[in-house]
Amino acid sequence: QLQLQESGPGLVKPSETLSLTCTVSGDSISSTNYYWAWIRQSPGKGLEWLGSIHNSGSPLYNPSLNSRVTISVDTSKNHFSLKLSSVTAADTAVYYCARDGGLVATVPFDYWGQGTLVSVSS
Amino acid sequence: EIVLTQSPGTLSLSPGERATLSCRASQSVSSSYLAWYQQKPGQAPRLLIYGTSNRATAIPDRFSGSGSGTDFTLTISRLEPEDFAVYYCQQYGSSYTFGQGTKLEIK
Repeated sequence: QLQLQESGPGLVKPSETLSLTCTVSGDSISSTNYYWAWIRQSPGKGLEWLGSIHNSGSPLYNPSLNSRVTISVDTSKNHFSLKLSSVTAADTAVYYCARDGGLVATVPFDYWGQGTLVSVSS
Repeated sequence: EIVLTQSPGTLSLSPGERATLSCRASQSVSSSYLAWYQQKPGQAPRLLIYGTSNRATAIPDRFSGSGSGTDFTLTISRLEPEDFAVYYCQQYGSSYTFGQGTKLEIK
């Protein structure tokens, strides 16, 4: 059974960089043709896709956040990561990682992590 | 960006009744790229339907999806107690966007 687990600080200061990691178990990121995604959910903006990455390292980003988001993958550790720079209170949200088959199999986010709350505050 | 508008915002029904949830897109969405999710408090969203009408793994057949172009529908034929939750539609044909959700509550 595929499982995803987010990890990282729950509190980030304004103007700093939010960093999260999603560890995948039950399958190897490098053996699949899927993308791997980050999605967040806040009361103000609902569900928002941040970006996805293929195991080859090719990322896709939400155009509205493009300049602040970086997603990378480490196949040796079977995890992928999110960095969001210059955060403000508006970036306070629950951050989810998910498997993304929308581009390769027309099946979008079918496996999700449990989510991690990140608050932006001084 | 394709904006998805869901209606109603809240739907109050009783177990055993039929639920019809609507999702309208600001521009045409390929039927291959419209999905529905269910979310319960404290949980991640769960994929129910993809490609407009295909049920995801282990989803009961009381859930069905339909539609085309800019109008899509999720139907729950006979509500079970565990079906009361928030439902989101999503398009993934042009980037990815989600609707704002419909809360299905017990009447």
